[in-house]
Amino acid sequence: GDSVTQMEGPVTLSEEAFLTINCTYTATGYPSLFWYVQYPGEGLQLLLKATKADDKGSNKGFEATYRKETTSFHLEKGSVQVSDSAVYFCALSDNTDKLIFGTGTRLQVFP
Amino acid sequence: NAGVTQTPKFRILKIGQSMTLQCTQDMNHNYMYWYRQDPGMGLKLIYYSVGAGITDKGEVPNGYNVSRSTTEDFPLRLELAAPSQTSVYFCASSRGTGGTYGYTFGSGTRLTVV
Repeated sequence: GDSVTQMEGPVTLSEEAFLTINCTYTATGYPSLFWYVQYPGEGLQLLLKATKADDKGSNKGFEATYRKETTSFHLEKGSVQVSDSAVYFCALSDNTDKLIFGTGTRLQVFP
Repeated sequence: NAGVTQTPKFRILKIGQSMTLQCTQDMNHNYMYWYRQDPGMGLKLIYYSVGAGITDKGEVPNGYNVSRSTTEDFPLRLELAAPSQTSVYFCASSRGTGGTYGYTFGSGTRLTVV
């Protein structure tokens, strides 16, 4: 079945460092891809999405490009802040009724 | 502008007790979902609904029941609580299929079964 694989965490960075969180997927058909963010004590929030190959989703300085040839959707940010500390989830949908989530990657940013 | 509201936020149950986790949304979304989040395991789908009167099982439905009598409400029922049901439960809703619109999540219910 469809699945999402994320890099193990935690990812620990200093403020203003470059961030990459890897995400690869397995799916039949042409899924939409998402990144969600979960801040401590809160529910998940949609961060960005891409619906077809070569699309780039972006929001709040974060970017991810839908790479069909490598089945990847890596999350990047050029300069992280302490306020970016959270758990990040990669997810896919094959346009049925539901999303399939990865296991999440915890990001810790220190001043 | 409440979005998705879950109650309670925290609960401790004894083994064998029952309870209902409440979920309501004010966005007139047809699609609603219940997930559980276990440490290091990501989110697992318990049940979902594509409209009032229609529910279906997800990946981990055993030990749970749901109903959807209105568009707004989607309660999750635990009949005989077990320690394996200790988790954080999230309710979510969507205007249409998840691939097009994504989900709006509630803030979660942290349940401990002792």
